[in-house]
Amino acid sequence: AQSVAQPEDQVNVAEGNPLTVKCTYSVSGNPYLFWYVQYPNRGLQFLLKYITGDNLVKGSYGFEAEFNKSQTSFHLKKPSALVSDSALYFCAVRPGFRDDKIIFGKGTRLHILP
Amino acid sequence: KAGVTQTPRYLIKTRGQQVTLSCSPISGHRSVSWYQQTPGQGLQFLFEYFSETQRNKGNFPGRFSGRQFSNSRSEMNVSTLELGDSALYLCASIDSSSDNEQFFGPGTRLTVL
Repeated sequence: AQSVAQPEDQVNVAEGNPLTVKCTYSVSGNPYLFWYVQYPNRGLQFLLKYITGDNLVKGSYGFEAEFNKSQTSFHLKKPSALVSDSALYFCAVRPGFRDDKIIFGKGTRLHILP
Repeated sequence: KAGVTQTPRYLIKTRGQQVTLSCSPISGHRSVSWYQQTPGQGLQFLFEYFSETQRNKGNFPGRFSGRQFSNSRSEMNVSTLELGDSALYLCASIDSSSDNEQFFGPGTRLTVL
């Protein structure tokens, strides 16, 4: 079955330190990969996506993600965390270009400690 | 360009009632998807509409239905509400000119008592 796994329910990082939020997926073919962020009482905001090309994708607010096909991973990273980065982060996969259904991970709550 | 609009933002219903939620996509987008977000199940795909036709459907009971109008606005309906239907319902507007990227609205928070 197609799935997305975010192994950590919560990640705590001190402000100024680098952060990583992990994501692995199980989808056949060449999926499209996404990261979204959700702030309290808000919808999802798009951060970045991988479709093809360079394995390192840069997105909004200084975030980037690295696609690793052999490990089927798409970890979200940021070199220096801000307190304002504290939010709920979702990894998602769209199995194919013609498939508009997105499969989401369970989400990882990121706490940036001042 | 205006974003995705969802109305109402908050709704309280009782078991057995029905509810209709509305979504207006970004101007020019002809496709919308609906998702249910709960703490236990996370985000789950409900259905997707394109040009007034349902193109894809998730694994939800028949109590959940939707439709899309000629102006691309979409509604979803839940009949015979159950406590477990309490959730944040998110609508996404799909940009077919940009790799079918999805832009999410703020959601409708439904509470079933």
